[in-house]
Amino acid sequence: DTGVSQDPRHKITKRGQNVTFRCDPISEHNRLYWYRQTLGQGPEFLTYFQNEAQLEKSRLLSDRFSAERPKGSFSTLEIQRTEQGDSAMYLCASSLRLAGGISYEQYFGPGTRLTVT
Amino acid sequence: AQTVTQSQPEMSVQEAETVTLSCTYDTSESNYYLFWYKQPPSRQMILVIRQEAYKQQNATENRFSVNFQKAAKSFSLKISDSQLGDTAMYFCAFMKPVHNQAGTALIFGKGTTLSVSS
Repeated sequence: DTGVSQDPRHKITKRGQNVTFRCDPISEHNRLYWYRQTLGQGPEFLTYFQNEAQLEKSRLLSDRFSAERPKGSFSTLEIQRTEQGDSAMYLCASSLRLAGGISYEQYFGPGTRLTVT
Repeated sequence: AQTVTQSQPEMSVQEAETVTLSCTYDTSESNYYLFWYKQPPSRQMILVIRQEAYKQQNATENRFSVNFQKAAKSFSLKISDSQLGDTAMYFCAFMKPVHNQAGTALIFGKGTTLSVSS
């Protein structure tokens, strides 16, 4: 168990470019979450998956954002036509939901820090 | 919609002393979960302690304990015998279990930066 990993750790891009981030959850975890954290603020929920199904999306997830988890393992978050307001830390978390149970603890990755210039 | 408020942006404490971080929340739900997460500088977020709303007994994890006041919608974290390694940003978070979905997104407060000095 190596924990949740995210790649890249840092990304600098110019406004208008597309970027893609990857998250690898803990191997047996069936739930995967994406959050965004700006400086001095708490994380804000973007979206989450149960296996490959995207179950919920926040209103923060505009049309320029898309997330996938094609085989129920790793996930990608793509931002198209980046804007300066997209500069933030993008956090991924995973958890294990047992049948009929509650998935309490979310295990967080180190995050991808995006800077849009 | 649920909201979580942490009214103390920064706190400081000396080693071995006790400190209490405040958190209030607003919800119309009766069943929910509350958490305290710790985010050390440049390191990933980890869970410190959790509390189920249906449990009256306050949760305790070693030096960390909570004071859960459901009627007042208050959920404070007490750190006893503070250590240098407790220096971090602490986030209070709320989760509402949804039928058939059994746990959804966390709603976080803005955090409290705790500095422990020797």
